[in-house]
Amino acid sequence: EVQLVESGGGLVQPGSSLRLSCAASGFTFDDYPMHWVRQVPGKGLEWVSSISRRTDSVGYADSVKGRFTISRDNAKNSLYLQLNNVTAEDTALYYCAKGLGNYWYGSDFDYWGLGTLVTVSS
Amino acid sequence: EIVLTQSPGTLSLSPGERATLSCRASQSVSRSYLAWYQQRPGQAPRLLMYGASSRATGIPDRFRGSGSGTDFTLTISRLEPEDFAMYYCQHFGSSPPMYTFGQGTKLEMK
Repeated sequence: EVQLVESGGGLVQPGSSLRLSCAASGFTFDDYPMHWVRQVPGKGLEWVSSISRRTDSVGYADSVKGRFTISRDNAKNSLYLQLNNVTAEDTALYYCAKGLGNYWYGSDFDYWGLGTLVTVSS
Repeated sequence: EIVLTQSPGTLSLSPGERATLSCRASQSVSRSYLAWYQQRPGQAPRLLMYGASSRATGIPDRFRGSGSGTDFTLTISRLEPEDFAMYYCQHFGSSPPMYTFGQGTKLEMK
């Protein structure tokens, strides 16, 4: 059974940093691209970032480019998202999702975790 | 950048009825990169359809995706109580490479 468990969220001040983690199990982690998607409570879904299987290709939404960094450790079956210089607009539930295909581009999100909540407030 | 517009915003139907949800793209898109997700309250989204018309693993055949160009449709033939949820369409565009979601359609029980 595919399982994705996010962690690392919390209450942080504007301008600060935090790192989100996603522990994956139930599938061969390094065979699939991975994604981060966020959702402001009560609002819609927003793609944040994606990473290829071998970390050689990544993509970011314009809203986070230059501030967030996606990475993965295939030996640990883990996905990460480093959030720097956060603002109130980054407040959201952050989901980790597994890619359906072989590449991060055009690879729909076939399994999702339950999310970790990031709240940015002073 | 492609914008996806879903309609209606809210759809009120009864169990057993047929639901038709629309997703319109601001310009023609490849159906290979059009997906639909269901999100029940308090749950993570679930992939329903990919490639516009392929059902994801475990999705019952009462769900059907169709369309091409700028107009795509998700049809639920006979609504079950568990189908009342939010539905989002999603597209992957290559220039620049990014994923875009529609704003969602809420399917509520009448």
